[in-house]
Amino acid sequence: EPEVTQTPSHQVTQMGQEVILRCVPISNHLYFYWYRQILGQKVEFLVSFYNNEISEKSEIFDDQFSVERPDGSNFTLKIRSTKLEDSAMYFCASATGRLAGEETQYFGPGTRLLVL
Amino acid sequence: GESVGLHLPTLSVQEGDNSIINCAYSNSASDYFIWYKQESGKGPQFIIDIRSNMDKRQGQRVTVLLNKTVKHLSLQIAATQPGDSAVYFCAEAYGGSQGNLIFGKGTKLSVKP
Repeated sequence: EPEVTQTPSHQVTQMGQEVILRCVPISNHLYFYWYRQILGQKVEFLVSFYNNEISEKSEIFDDQFSVERPDGSNFTLKIRSTKLEDSAMYFCASATGRLAGEETQYFGPGTRLLVL
Repeated sequence: GESVGLHLPTLSVQEGDNSIINCAYSNSASDYFIWYKQESGKGPQFIIDIRSNMDKRQGQRVTVLLNKTVKHLSLQIAATQPGDSAVYFCAEAYGGSQGNLIFGKGTKLSVKP
């Protein structure tokens, strides 16, 4: 069964450093998402991406964040200058479409980011 | 809205019993609802979804009920097994968005053998 994959599984970085989190969505999916989950809290939406551009973003997704689909398979989240409060689990998700029956989002296993 | 923090509501059931997990959603305009299961250290795993034009949907051992009048969603798990132990999240989305999901706080299900 196709799965969303994410790398790395864990990332430790120093405050102020840039990190890039990588995702390979399910191959025939067209809609891509990043979410994050701070330890013990809800999963929170960050950004959605379709047709090579951002569709929607939350207040969390400020100028320090960017997303990119550099090729036909990868979808990346970059944090330009990490802050302590960026420490969280970051999940990538993908969906076939937005119509009924297509919109189920399938999540990857996550990248645990720790900013020191 | 729901509070956030380290303490999740917990449901403890005996193996073989039925489980009912409840969720209050926030947006009356939401038209798509989904239940996810999250095991420790893993990503949310899709269980079942329902659109707002339905009030009940059944899957394998799971049933989702939607009550739009009171903005309430429930997940019923039949014959609960130890492998069902996890945190269960409901999530909602509305058609005007690009599908971004709004997650609830979660309920921890613990199955006693």
